[in-house]
Amino acid sequence: AQSVAQPEDQVNVAEGNPLTVKCTYSVSGNPYLFWYVQYPNRGLQFLLKYITGDNLVKGSYGFEAEFNKSQTSFHLKKPSALVSDSALYFCAVRDGGTYKYIFGTGTRLKVLA
Amino acid sequence: DAEITQSPRHKITETGRQVTLACHQTWNHNNMFWYRQDLGHGLRLIHYSYGVQDTNKGEVSDGYSVSRSNTEDLPLTLESAASSQTSVYFCASSESIRQSAFFGQGTRLTVV
Repeated sequence: AQSVAQPEDQVNVAEGNPLTVKCTYSVSGNPYLFWYVQYPNRGLQFLLKYITGDNLVKGSYGFEAEFNKSQTSFHLKKPSALVSDSALYFCAVRDGGTYKYIFGTGTRLKVLA
Repeated sequence: DAEITQSPRHKITETGRQVTLACHQTWNHNNMFWYRQDLGHGLRLIHYSYGVQDTNKGEVSDGYSVSRSNTEDLPLTLESAASSQTSVYFCASSESIRQSAFFGQGTRLTVV
């Protein structure tokens, strides 16, 4: 069965420092991987996706993610964090057979000024 | 601009009542989804649909139903609301497996 794990409930980082939000996945077949962000009282917003091609994927707001097939990971990164990046981040994998999104439990990112 | 809208944004209902949450998208997407969001669980899939007259159960479908009579709408019905169904509900749509999904703003449902 497809699954996604986000091992950290919360990540704290100082403004200006690089940030990493971790995600590992388990799929049968080729993975379709996504990152979403949720701000308070809002829906989820798409950040970036990996379907195929380069392992380093660039997305919105300066975020990027690195697909690592051997480690089955898809960590979200940003070189320099902003206070406005503070939000809840979800990793998701798309089931190749049913089109369903399977989400991780989310990681709350807190960027400290 | 195309969009996906949910209504109502907030709802308080009593145990045992039937409740319907609306979801409407204007992208003409075939795939639509309903999720609930609870602390510690992330988003869990309730029901999904690939197109008109098609509906499928997700991992937490007990006590919920959906119907798809047109491409734009996928209403979610709680047959007899229970306190365990207090949650935030999100509707989403997408065109293909390679595309990202678009999410509505959510409906916060409280069952008292």
